[in-house]
Amino acid sequence: GAGVSQSPRYKVTKRGQDVALRCDPISGHVSLYWYRQALGQGPEFLTYFNYEAQQDKSGLPNDRFSAERPEGSISTLTIQRTEQRDSAMYRCASSLGVAGAVGEQFFGPGTRLTVL
Amino acid sequence: AQSVTQLDSQVPVFEEAPVELRCNYSSSVSVYLFWYVQYPNQGLQLLLKYLSGSTLVKGINGFEAEFNKSQTSFHLRKPSVHISDTAEYFCAVSDREEYGNKLVFGAGTILRVKS
Repeated sequence: GAGVSQSPRYKVTKRGQDVALRCDPISGHVSLYWYRQALGQGPEFLTYFNYEAQQDKSGLPNDRFSAERPEGSISTLTIQRTEQRDSAMYRCASSLGVAGAVGEQFFGPGTRLTVL
Repeated sequence: AQSVTQLDSQVPVFEEAPVELRCNYSSSVSVYLFWYVQYPNQGLQLLLKYLSGSTLVKGINGFEAEFNKSQTSFHLRKPSVHISDTAEYFCAVSDREEYGNKLVFGAGTILRVKS
């Protein structure tokens, strides 16, 4: 059974480079969330989508961060001009229902980003 | 804004002993409450959730939690732990009044079960 998948699992990049992190949600899941988890901390909300519409991006730390989900399935989180403080685990989750209804969020394994 | 406090960063316990992992949240507004578990190199997995109804919630792997509105707490308990319960546990809350169900997580508690 396919769960939420994320790629790459590990990404090492140099400061100033752009990175794109991919999330493939469970098939049929309407809602998709992005979280960031710093070492020793819990995940922190970044943004979420219902279908292809970005409903809330209040957690994106600055305008170097953007996300899209153009066809309502796969999502990409892009970080431009990476900085060392962007190093973290980036987690994606999907949920079956529209995010107005409370449903379990299923998490992927995460992408570990290291910015040198 | 919501915040979640997990009072213990690490909890060591012997196998077959009982355990309680503590969680408090900040706001008195109506909330949904969750406990997630993370095993090494895996994603977060839902253990249990409180949405409404009975304040005692039972989850997978023998875990349960009790919602206490007056104390804004949602402590996780298991009467007898196994080595396989060694993992990191996260308490999370979402605001009922806010559309989107985004989760606010605590910093996590590492449960170490010793033989």
